[in-house]
Parts: sequence; structure tokens; C-alpha cells
Amino acid sequence: RKEVEQDPGPFNVPEGATVAFNCTYSNSASQSFFWYRQDCRKEPKLLMSVYSSGNEDGRFTAQLNRASQYISLLIRDSKLSDSATYLCVVTPGGIKAAGNKLTFGGGTRVLVKP
Amino acid sequence: GAVVSQHPSWVICKSGTSVKIECRSLDFQATTMFWYRQFPKQSLMLMATSNEGSKATYEQGVEKDKFLINHASLTLSTLTVTSAHPEDSSFYICSATTSGNSYEQYFGPGTRLTVT
Repeated sequence: RKEVEQDPGPFNVPEGATVAFNCTYSNSASQSFFWYRQDCRKEPKLLMSVYSSGNEDGRFTAQLNRASQYISLLIRDSKLSDSATYLCVVTPGGIKAAGNKLTFGGGTRVLVKP
Repeated sequence: GAVVSQHPSWVICKSGTSVKIECRSLDFQATTMFWYRQFPKQSLMLMATSNEGSKATYEQGVEKDKFLINHASLTLSTLTVTSAHPEDSSFYICSATTSGNSYEQYFGPGTRLTVT
């Protein structure tokens, strides 16, 4: 079983719609969770951290469910520019631990169409 | 701030030759750098963790004699793919963190290697 699993998609989303997808992780000791965004042939970029209480950044909402070991990302009012691959990332260490090894999921591809 | 560069951005080489990829932190000192590899439609796989002035720590299944990593200064790490084969063709990405800072890794733009 992979450490971090994601539905590869693609999720075809009409512009303006809402899309949500999850990521499951196998290591119950994982402490920090993130969503990264990766555009085609580019490096990944941090989208947001994920906290137990859930957090929101504009149109993006992330949730963590430790009991079921999954995190989610919801995108509201999708824009064409949201088309990308969204990578779920997990680390074993706390948020202040420098040099944490990041474990990436396979990514979920989102295509927003007019 | 926190910019990481990689050079070259892409390279084509012949089978059996060696290729060196540079990763630089432009505006901060990176005590730890990571090297990842990403095959098409797959996720990033960590190859090795490199700390300045010490030997790199390789992930299981990554040949240290084939992928030579040198982290000689706080702003530069290099990855040399020795005796490259077509199956080494991939997207190689480095990232860097600073000591005393949080989890965040700053990624370079990646190097696309094609071995013919």
C-alpha cells in the first residue's frame, strides 16, 4: 500500500463549480499535512497547510481527519487557472521540524473547463 | 525571497555519459537540500537528502554510486547522473530548507533529462 494515495482523476469541472477530493495516508504517526499544486512540467508549489481544525484560504478549504487518516481539498467557484495537479503531502515531523522529508501522493488532476 | 534555481533546465545526453545538475539557493542558506525524481504522470519520489558538508542520505533503491550528490556549500548542491541510461530520463527537482525554519521546502524549477 502506498504511503499517500490520491485519486488521479482527471476531475473535469465546469468553470464556477465546486470540486472536492481526498487523499489518504497510511502512517498514523504523520504530523504535518499539505496541499501542493503542480502545473505541467513545473515544480510543485505550496498551496496550503492542513490543520486539524480545518482551514480556508480564499476559495480553497482543507480539512484533516486524523481518525480516518485522510485530508481533503475543496475548491469553490473554480477558475480556469485552477487547472493543475494537486499533490497531497505528508511529513512525519511536526510543523517546526526543519528538513522534514516530504512524502508526495500521486496527485489529482483537475481540469476546469469553460 | 527563498528562490531556488536549477541548471540546466533541460539536457539531452547520450547513453553512457554523465550529467551534472546544479541546485542553488539564491537568497538564503540551505543547510538541507533534497533531490527528487518525477517520471511522467507519477509523483515526486525522494532520491536523497543532502546536508551541507556531509554525505548524502539516499532513499532505499537509489544507487548512491550512480547518483552522486555533493553539497559543498550552503547555497549549492549538485547531482551527477553517472553512466546515464534511457531509463534515467526523468524530471529531476531539488528543494532546499533552512535550519531553524519550519517544514517548508523551496523547490527549484526542475531539470528535464533525456538520455538517448
